[in-house]
Amino acid sequence: GENVEQHPSTLSVQEGDSAVIKCTYSDSASNYFPWYKQELGKRPQLIIDIRSNVGEKKDQRIAVTLNKTAKHFSLHITETQPEDSAVYFCAARSYSGGGADGLTFGKGTHLIIQP
Amino acid sequence: EPEVTQTPSHQVTQMGQEVILRCVPISNHLYFYWYRQILGQKVEFLVSFYNNEISEKSEIFDDQFSVERPDGSNFTLKIRSTKLEDSAMYFCASRMGRSAPNSNQPQHFGDGTRLSIL
Repeated sequence: GENVEQHPSTLSVQEGDSAVIKCTYSDSASNYFPWYKQELGKRPQLIIDIRSNVGEKKDQRIAVTLNKTAKHFSLHITETQPEDSAVYFCAARSYSGGGADGLTFGKGTHLIIQP
Repeated sequence: EPEVTQTPSHQVTQMGQEVILRCVPISNHLYFYWYRQILGQKVEFLVSFYNNEISEKSEIFDDQFSVERPDGSNFTLKIRSTKLEDSAMYFCASRMGRSAPNSNQPQHFGDGTRLSIL
């Protein structure tokens, strides 16, 4: 099955600086890679996702890059703000088109924005 | 914006008892999921459900677990004989079906049910 590794486990950055979180996956058939933000005690919320036919996707201060050859993808947050503080999870899914495949999550990165 | 809703928000149960966690997926979604998250750990996939049957299940989803869609709106997870290690946050999620313009639609999560086994 799929295995997703995520680094770092904790990331502390100064407000206004950029943050980068990296994930690797093992299953070359995986073709969908979402990122979720989870605040303490709350639901995971999708912040951005990328499909395997795209190398990069951007949404305002958030961007995701995908390197299929190396099987890794990264989340980039620019101009970080205090409200960006949360745990971020990467995930991967192999969508075969025939069923409802579950997401395999990384262990999460606790992002701390220092004022 | 429509949301996945889960009840109860917190369930406390004695070890060995049965528990049913309830979810109402977003109304036009066709794929339903259960995940669990043990405190401080990552989210783990349990099961996916489509067209009134299980599509995929993980190793965690053993014989003590079952899912059901008893009517047109609810999606339930039953744990038959709870163990201490079943204590976790359980998330329900749903997504649209393949008939959507983009068949690879994202999964939307509910707020979760915190299950505490005593």
